[in-house]
Amino acid sequence: GAGVSQSPSNKVTEKGKDVELRCDPISGHTALYWYRQSLGQGLEFLIYFQGNSAPDKSGLPSDRFSAERTGGSVSTLTIQRTQQEDSAVYLCASSSPNHPQAGANSYEQYFGPGTRLTVT
Amino acid sequence: TQLLEQSPQFLSIQEGENLTVYCNSSSVFSSLQWYRQEPGEGPVLLVTVVTGGEVKKLKRLTFQFGDARKDSSLHITAAQTGDTGLYLCAGEGEANFGNEKLTFGTGTRLTIIP
Repeated sequence: GAGVSQSPSNKVTEKGKDVELRCDPISGHTALYWYRQSLGQGLEFLIYFQGNSAPDKSGLPSDRFSAERTGGSVSTLTIQRTQQEDSAVYLCASSSPNHPQAGANSYEQYFGPGTRLTVT
Repeated sequence: TQLLEQSPQFLSIQEGENLTVYCNSSSVFSSLQWYRQEPGEGPVLLVTVVTGGEVKKLKRLTFQFGDARKDSSLHITAAQTGDTGLYLCAGEGEANFGNEKLTFGTGTRLTIIP
């Protein structure tokens, strides 16, 4: 079956412009996450959607960052007035507690290939 | 705030050697996962450990969850070039039990030299 897809794969933008990054999660997965990864290091949590609950926005670095998830499926991460420090790989993941590997309190996150954002 | 520190940050060894990567925290986690990420791709789950003291083996990879569920290790025996990648640990906090949010570690970049 199809995995998590993200578009575009690469985005180069000028400082001050707005960008939109898209994530298509695995069909049926109720949870969706956005992370940021700089210089191939660890993942920085940005935002988490779970079903119809209010999203956990605790990781968004500033009010220039926002995300939506329409119809419980596709999500868009928007960065307004981009800055050079926004340059990174933005990863999306989805998960479902009904996955076979999930135990009583563990969930596998399936990641997309990421969008590499470069702000010049 | 729960933090997961991984060590070493970078590791480069010869093919055939053994190695251990560590994931440490001052917080207790209800479960801990290990992911491997290759260039241009997203992380892929290797294993999930749930019980304190649990040991899981995946071919040449051995994963251990600390008794207190605050730390974990990944040991690779007879490393191969295909093991090269970024290894990430990720914990599900006790405070987040039932919530799918994970805290990711700082990562260990492993390079196996032929």
